[in-house]
Amino acid sequence: DQQVKQNSPSLSVQEGRISILNCDYTNSMFDYFLWYKKYPAEGPTFLISISSIKDKNEDGRFTVFLNKSAKHLSLHIVPSQPGDSAVYFCAATDTGFQKLVFGTGTRLLVSP
Amino acid sequence: DTAVSQTPKYLVTQMGNDKSIKCEQNLGHDTMYWYKQDSKKFLKIMFSYNNKELIINETVPNRFSPKSPDKAHLNLHINSLELGDSAVYFCASSQNAGAGNTIYFGEGSWLTVV
Repeated sequence: DQQVKQNSPSLSVQEGRISILNCDYTNSMFDYFLWYKKYPAEGPTFLISISSIKDKNEDGRFTVFLNKSAKHLSLHIVPSQPGDSAVYFCAATDTGFQKLVFGTGTRLLVSP
Repeated sequence: DTAVSQTPKYLVTQMGNDKSIKCEQNLGHDTMYWYKQDSKKFLKIMFSYNNKELIINETVPNRFSPKSPDKAHLNLHINSLELGDSAVYFCASSQNAGAGNTIYFGEGSWLTVV
C-alpha cells in the first residue's frame, strides 16, 4: 500500500518558467512533509519541509503548499533553472520517531 | 568533508555470501538510519538507531543485522544474500529521532547480487 504517491514520473519545463511537482498521501496521521532532491549516483538532499499546521512554506525559489483536506502537497520552483534538473521525492512522517515514507519521485528536466 | 559516508559504494557479490556496508557520520547526530531503494525506485526505511539503541525495525528479514558500535557509526551486515537484496542502500542521520529533524543521506551503496 503506497501511502505517498507522485503520479507524474517526469516533468519538463523551460528555464525561467515555473515547475510544479505534485504529491498525494493517504495516511491522515502524517503531519510533517518534506521534499528531497536527488542527483544520479548521489543520496537525497533535503530541500524544504512543511508542518501540518501550515499551508505554505517558502524558501527562496522553492515553495511548498499543503492542502490537508485534499491530502495533497505541491512544490513550486520559480524561476526554474537547469541545475534544478533532478529527481524530486516527496516524503511524509507522523509524530514520534521520524520514519520518512517516500513517494516514487518525479524526474524534473529544466531545459535552457 | 563528507557528512555521512558509506563504504563500499559499489558491491557485486554472489548469492549466499555475507557482506557488510559501513556507515559513519561526522555531524554529531544522535540518530542514524538505513534506507533501501529497490529496483522500482521505492525508498523505504529499514532501521533507525538513536544513541546506539534500535528504535525502528521495519519488518526486515533477520538476515539483515544492523550494528551501532557508537553514535557515529551504523553498519549493515547481510547474511545469505539473495537476488532480491540487489538495491541501493542509503545510510542517513539526523540530530535526533523526532519529526522535523532534517535527515542527511549518504551517497548510497549499490549492491548487486548475482
